[in-house]
Amino acid sequence: DGGITQSPKYLFRKEGQNVTLSCEQNLNHDAMYWYRQDPGQGLRLIYYSQIVNDFQKGDIAEGYSVSREKKESFPLTVTSAQKNPTAFYLCASRVASGSYEQYFGPGTRLTVT
Amino acid sequence: GENVEQHPSTLSVQEGDSAVIKCTYSDSASNYFPWYKQELGKRPQLIIDIRSNVGEKKDQRIAVTLNKTAKHFSLHITETQPEDSAVYFCAAGNSGYALNFGKGTSLLVTP
Repeated sequence: DGGITQSPKYLFRKEGQNVTLSCEQNLNHDAMYWYRQDPGQGLRLIYYSQIVNDFQKGDIAEGYSVSREKKESFPLTVTSAQKNPTAFYLCASRVASGSYEQYFGPGTRLTVT
Repeated sequence: GENVEQHPSTLSVQEGDSAVIKCTYSDSASNYFPWYKQELGKRPQLIIDIRSNVGEKKDQRIAVTLNKTAKHFSLHITETQPEDSAVYFCAAGNSGYALNFGKGTSLLVTP
């Protein structure tokens, strides 16, 4: 299970608080992704980054923010502006060229009450 | 943007039977079509993928077919086993930059 890690596995927060989810990879991958998974909804793209200091919005970026200061790290902040933040969050990474396979982290389950 | 539809949402088969899951996509620029398997509470894992210059790819009991003209691709699992029970996701993307996923198929293989 090494390679791409997410912490913590479970996270609980009160409504109105910002929370940051960690994603780290030691695969030397250039691109990193954040997805949100809700029951029956599949995986929906929040943000992605192809290189350090650059990132693009996905389909559901509202209420989220990211940074990519290091190649290994792509933290996701769930802000108080996100109306329904309770979900399973998955981080993924892949090499920039050659293989297109995305490798997923173990996920963080966020519960906001 | 890309829209990926996946059917059926649930599928129940007897052990040893075949299972087929179908997906359609909307963006003709998509050229990469992976299939992921996700067990309960675990991360999705790639089981097979196909690029648009290939019509079919097989890996032991798993195969994927692609029809670019019709914009659909399918996952075929033969000789199903109970350990094949999981949620399967198809996805489509352009050169792997960002993937658009289907909503998933929950496969149950009963002994």
